[in-house]
Amino acid sequence: AQTVTQSQPEMSVQEAETVTLSCTYDTSESDYYLFWYKQPPSRQMILVIRQEAYKQQNATENRFSVNFQKAAKSFSLKISDSQLGDAAMYFCAYRSFASGGGADGLTFGKGTHLIIQP
Amino acid sequence: EPEVTQTPSHQVTQMGQEVILRCVPISNHLYFYWYRQILGQKVEFLVSFYNNEISEKSEIFDDQFSVERPDGSNFTLKIRSTKLEDSAMYFCASSEEVPSQDTQYFGPGTRLTVL
Repeated sequence: AQTVTQSQPEMSVQEAETVTLSCTYDTSESDYYLFWYKQPPSRQMILVIRQEAYKQQNATENRFSVNFQKAAKSFSLKISDSQLGDAAMYFCAYRSFASGGGADGLTFGKGTHLIIQP
Repeated sequence: EPEVTQTPSHQVTQMGQEVILRCVPISNHLYFYWYRQILGQKVEFLVSFYNNEISEKSEIFDDQFSVERPDGSNFTLKIRSTKLEDSAMYFCASSEEVPSQDTQYFGPGTRLTVL
């Protein structure tokens, strides 16, 4: 079974600064997907960014980027120019690759609470 | 932009009662999921559904749970006899048919409180 570990229960960053959230995972599979989801106080889960394991290039979405190290099984999220609206719980998630269809559920980490200091 | 919707936003029930949580997935999506999040804990997968049958389920999804797609738009989670430990946030999610079935889009959740 896959496991996802987020070792930082809470992180704090000054507005406009850069912060990196850590995520490691354990799997014996070679093909899979990785995600970062944001959960603001409203508790809705919002997709931030996704990465396919077969792609070497790190995914980027505006101010959000990842550092994907497949050999190290590491998938960190970097938020540049932090904004007050970035304050939320951030969850790292893993999904198996299902080449023949299928509907595997996501495996989530425990989350990192990100605080933005004005 | 299309969204997953869930009703009700908050459900309060007495222990032992049956509850039905409702979801409307994104219209062209064919894979549907339920997750739960006990307060302060991580999000846990319950079940996935495709082509009118359960595709995968976790050990949490025992006989007291069932899912159904009663019509072309709704996807429901039924808890037959609720327990105190069923109190949690329940999220519905959906994803497209191939090739983008990997990305799941979540609804806003239903907060279930069992008294």
